[in-house]
Amino acid sequence: DTAVSQTPKYLVTQMGNDKSIKCEQNLGHDTMYWYKQDSKKFLKIMFSYNNKELIINETVPNRFSPKSPDKAHLNLHINSLELGDSAVYFCASSQAPGGYTFGSGTRLTVV
Amino acid sequence: GQSLEQPSEVTAVEGAIVQINCTYQTSGFYGLSWYQQHDGGAPTFLSYNGLDGLEETGRFSSFLSRSDSYGYLLLQELQMKDSASYFCAVRDRSGGYQKVTFGTGTKLQVIP
Repeated sequence: DTAVSQTPKYLVTQMGNDKSIKCEQNLGHDTMYWYKQDSKKFLKIMFSYNNKELIINETVPNRFSPKSPDKAHLNLHINSLELGDSAVYFCASSQAPGGYTFGSGTRLTVV
Repeated sequence: GQSLEQPSEVTAVEGAIVQINCTYQTSGFYGLSWYQQHDGGAPTFLSYNGLDGLEETGRFSSFLSRSDSYGYLLLQELQMKDSASYFCAVRDRSGGYQKVTFGTGTKLQVIP
């Protein structure tokens, strides 16, 4: 009955590979997000979708491509992974004006 | 753009009261939220202030002064399990949509 679930929890991969992270929410929220948390714990928004429509696209390399097949799902695909992509990626959802509900995070390590 | 400032670290004694301050600069401000994150865990929502004043939820209270662009999180009767990072976050309008921007977090250490 997890509200926001993302998979995988851990991802270790080599530089240059392509990987995807999946996220699903069962809260009926209209808006979903991807956040990146670096080693200094800074949480930075990457993308936001509202009812499958991309509404926020921060300055993120175009190697990162989100996809929302429906309002309950928001996936993140990353091409040509680089060492600097290593971080924890959090999916979240919200229904304004409430707070965000975060997934448990995906710890990505690029070697 | 937005900017938020909060202390990087705070240490307090079990059973005591601690206040974590947050100042912000932004346009199109809607409100201020607080989140708690334990090491290795996900951020969890604590409170939201859209209007000036104090919001209380159990041992935690949050305050907002829109005129001062300032808010704080007050934790009472501190417990060891309160050791975590606490983030303030502003909700504002950006490009026609509401957006939440997080501060850099305050690491709270509760000591016996």
